[in-house]
Amino acid sequence: EPEVTQTPSHQVTQMGQEVILRCVPISNHLYFYWYRQILGQKVEFLVSFYNNEISEKSEIFDDQFSVERPDGSNFTLKIRSTKLEDSAMYFCASSEAIGTGTYEQYFGPGTRLTVT
Amino acid sequence: SQQGEEDPQALSIQEGENATMNCSYKTSINNLQWYRQNSGRGLVHLILIRSNEREKHSGRLRVTLDTSKKSSSLLITASRAADTASYFCATVLDRDDKIIFGKGTRLHILP
Repeated sequence: EPEVTQTPSHQVTQMGQEVILRCVPISNHLYFYWYRQILGQKVEFLVSFYNNEISEKSEIFDDQFSVERPDGSNFTLKIRSTKLEDSAMYFCASSEAIGTGTYEQYFGPGTRLTVT
Repeated sequence: SQQGEEDPQALSIQEGENATMNCSYKTSINNLQWYRQNSGRGLVHLILIRSNEREKHSGRLRVTLDTSKKSSSLLITASRAADTASYFCATVLDRDDKIIFGKGTRLHILP
């Protein structure tokens, strides 16, 4: 069964460094998402992406964040200058379509980002 | 209450018993979903119920949706130790596609 993959599974970085989290969505999916979960808290929407542009972003997704689909398979989340509070699990998701919102989003296993 | 708020926050039951978790939400939804997350791991999609549906089953899982009360319940029958996890209710609003998660219910199955 096709699945969303994410790399790395765990990333440790120093405050102020740039990180790139990578995701490979399911191949025929067109809509891509990033969510994050700070330890012990709920999963929060960051951004959705379609047709090579951001569809929607939350207030968490500030200028330090960017997303890109550099080729036909990868979908990346970049944090330009990490802060301690960026430490979280980051989940990528993809879906075949939207429209009525009834298309399931498939989640990757997550990347645990630790900022020291 | 927030959009997608689970009740109880934590639940401990004996193996073999049924576990019921509830979710309430505020605004009209297109669909409601339940996810499971083992400690520190990824999200596992359990079931999706659309706003025009009232009940869905998947194996030992039964989900109900009452749009008039803006509430849903997840029932796990004949619980097993492997069911120990956090369970999240998540909603998708009309004309939207992002998923809004609740804070979750931590379920602990006692041997």
